Amino acid sequence: AQSVSQHNHHVILSEAASLELGCNYSYGGTVNLFWYVQYPGQHLQLLLKYFSGDPLVKGIKGFEAEFIKSKFSFNLRKPSVQWSDTAEYFCAVILYGQNFVFGPGTRLSVLP
Amino acid sequence: DTGVSQDPRHKITKRGQNVTFRCDPISEHNRLYWYRQTLGQGPEFLTYFQNEAQLEKSRLLSDRFSAERPKGSFSTLEIQRTEQGDSAMYLCAVEQFFGPGTRLTVL
Repeated sequence: AQSVSQHNHHVILSEAASLELGCNYSYGGTVNLFWYVQYPGQHLQLLLKYFSGDPLVKGIKGFEAEFIKSKFSFNLRKPSVQWSDTAEYFCAVILYGQNFVFGPGTRLSVLP
Repeated sequence: DTGVSQDPRHKITKRGQNVTFRCDPISEHNRLYWYRQTLGQGPEFLTYFQNEAQLEKSRLLSDRFSAERPKGSFSTLEIQRTEQGDSAMYLCAVEQFFGPGTRLTVL
C-alpha cells in the first residue's frame, strides 16, 4: 500500500533559522506531490505542489520543495523561518485518478 | 477562502444519534473527497466522487457511513448511530483544496 512518511514529529527552531522538513513516499509510479500547512485552529492550506517539470517547486510564503525521484523524496525548505510559520505541515501524495495519502505531519514551533 | 464551504462547522451529538454534514464547492469540480482528521494526525481518506459517481471507499467507512453527491456538485456525509470513536474533524476537498471542516463531538 502506498504510504507517506515524514521524518520529524516536532521541529523547534529559532526565528531566522533555516528549515528543512523531510517527506518520503513509497510508490514507484507517477505521483503528484503536495505540501499543506495547518495553522492552529485553521484548515489545511496548500503551500505548493509538484505535478511535472522542474523538480524545484516554489510555493507561497517563501517555501520551496525539491522532488528527487531517485530518493522518493519531496522535502520542504525555507531559508529563514518566522514566528508566524509555527504550524503543522503535512506532505501528501496522490496517484493519478486516486485519492490523497497524507503523512502524519510535522509540528513546527518557531521561537521568537 | 479555498472555494469549499462546509456546514455545520461544529456538531455535538449524543451517541446513537444520526448526523449529516454538507460540503459545497463554489464552482464546478469533477473530484470531491471526504477525509477524517483526528488530533495530531494527518487526514485519512474516507471516500471520493468523480462527478456524482462514488468511485472509492476506504475501509474506514463502515456501514454506518454513507456519502452522496446527487447532482455532481454538493455532497453530504451521513453517520448513523454515532459512536464516540467517530469524534473527529471531517474534511471535504475539491481537487487539491480543502474546506474548513466539520468538527464532530460525540458525547
